[in-house]
Amino acid sequence: DIQMTQSPSSLSASVGDRVTITCRPSQGISSSLNWYQQTSGKAPKLLIFATSILHIGVPSRFSGTGTGSDFALTIDSLQPEDFATYFCQQTYMTPQTFGQGTRVEI
Amino acid sequence: QVQLQESGPGLVKASGTLSLTCAVSGGSLSSSRWWTWVRQSPGTGLEWIGEISQSETTNYNPSLRSRVTILADKSNNRFSLNLNSVTAADTAVYYCARVGTIATSLDLWGQGTLVTVAS
Repeated sequence: DIQMTQSPSSLSASVGDRVTITCRPSQGISSSLNWYQQTSGKAPKLLIFATSILHIGVPSRFSGTGTGSDFALTIDSLQPEDFATYFCQQTYMTPQTFGQGTRVEI
Repeated sequence: QVQLQESGPGLVKASGTLSLTCAVSGGSLSSSRWWTWVRQSPGTGLEWIGEISQSETTNYNPSLRSRVTILADKSNNRFSLNLNSVTAADTAVYYCARVGTIATSLDLWGQGTLVTVAS
């Protein structure tokens, strides 16, 4: 299985900050990388698919970059509703696998 | 607006079978989509279980393949998950989700249902 390593595992930030979360797969995955946001007690929500494409309705302060084996999710100007846990997912190879999550807290 | 809703027992005895259903409303299970099950536990995080297509082709996580079956019930617009020989390690929140059309992301999720395996 492809292991997905996110860093950091948690971070503290303030409203208005710029935050970057990284995701590194154990092998190259082309652009088959998705990002999800999960708030407490809720199901994950798709933010970004295929590395950099924003899902419908996702604010433009979210962006995704990367290629092959190094990916990042950036949130420009953090808003109160952005405090959540973020997961990356690779769909390059079966089984799909997820990162362990990055908790963004105040 | 398509919605997914999981249902099933919240408590399963060890060595028994976990059975869950995902009802699809506002859309058709027979659309050109794949439908999937994912689970989440504190110990193992998010784990992809498997998926089924509108033509009922299935793919499973190799780590669970010997114990899992995903079926489609098109007449009732729902799909199901059966996981047998469960242990405490199968205790998790189980989600059903829809696979996106452009990339194999999970673009719509059910709210999730907690299943506890008790000895």
